[in-house]
Amino acid sequence: EAGVTQSPTHLIKTRGQQATLRCSPISGHTSVYWYQQALGLGLQFLLWYDEGEERNRGNFPPRFSGRQFPNYSSELNVNALELEDSALYLCASSSSQGEGNTEAFFGQGTRLTVV
Amino acid sequence: TQLLEQSPQFLSIQEGENLTVYCNSSSVFSSLQWYRQEPGEGPVLLVTVVTGGEVKKLKRLTFQFGDARKDSSLHITAAQPGDTGLYLCAGDSGNTGKLIFGQGTTLQVKP
Repeated sequence: EAGVTQSPTHLIKTRGQQATLRCSPISGHTSVYWYQQALGLGLQFLLWYDEGEERNRGNFPPRFSGRQFPNYSSELNVNALELEDSALYLCASSSSQGEGNTEAFFGQGTRLTVV
Repeated sequence: TQLLEQSPQFLSIQEGENLTVYCNSSSVFSSLQWYRQEPGEGPVLLVTVVTGGEVKKLKRLTFQFGDARKDSSLHITAAQPGDTGLYLCAGDSGNTGKLIFGQGTTLQVKP
């Protein structure tokens, strides 16, 4: 069974540009989560999508947005990129819907570098 | 604000030694997960503990959830170089879809 897949694996953008990151969940999983892992800051929750709807978002500015498609894959968009957005962006999926026992399975991440 | 504090942050030991990593919070969690992450890769789920006092074993790794569901520990017996990595605990408070991650423990096991 295929795990969570993310693309691209690496992305280099210039400050002010937009970045689009993609994620395909494990087959049968309806929930997709996005996390940012910046150096020295640990994993920070960005967004949760379930059944095509945004269910929760973390403490990030509105220029971080995304969506979930009917096939449960997801996209994370970051507009007006800033140098501080350089990080590993991790996508995870689970079969639970915020029931308190989330077992999140992560992809390998997209390394975003803003120059 | 819910926080999870992991200790120690860094651990360097010799092959064959035992070690314990702690994950503490003042908040109650519905469940707690332990992950292992290698450089440039995503975290890999090791275990989920749900019941207070629960103990789970995964080969040489033993995980325990505190009775009050506010803390957890990971004990590794006879560590091997292949155990090297970043160990992360993550708490689920329920209904938010959000996992609260500790800052991680970097483990280096020298041959």
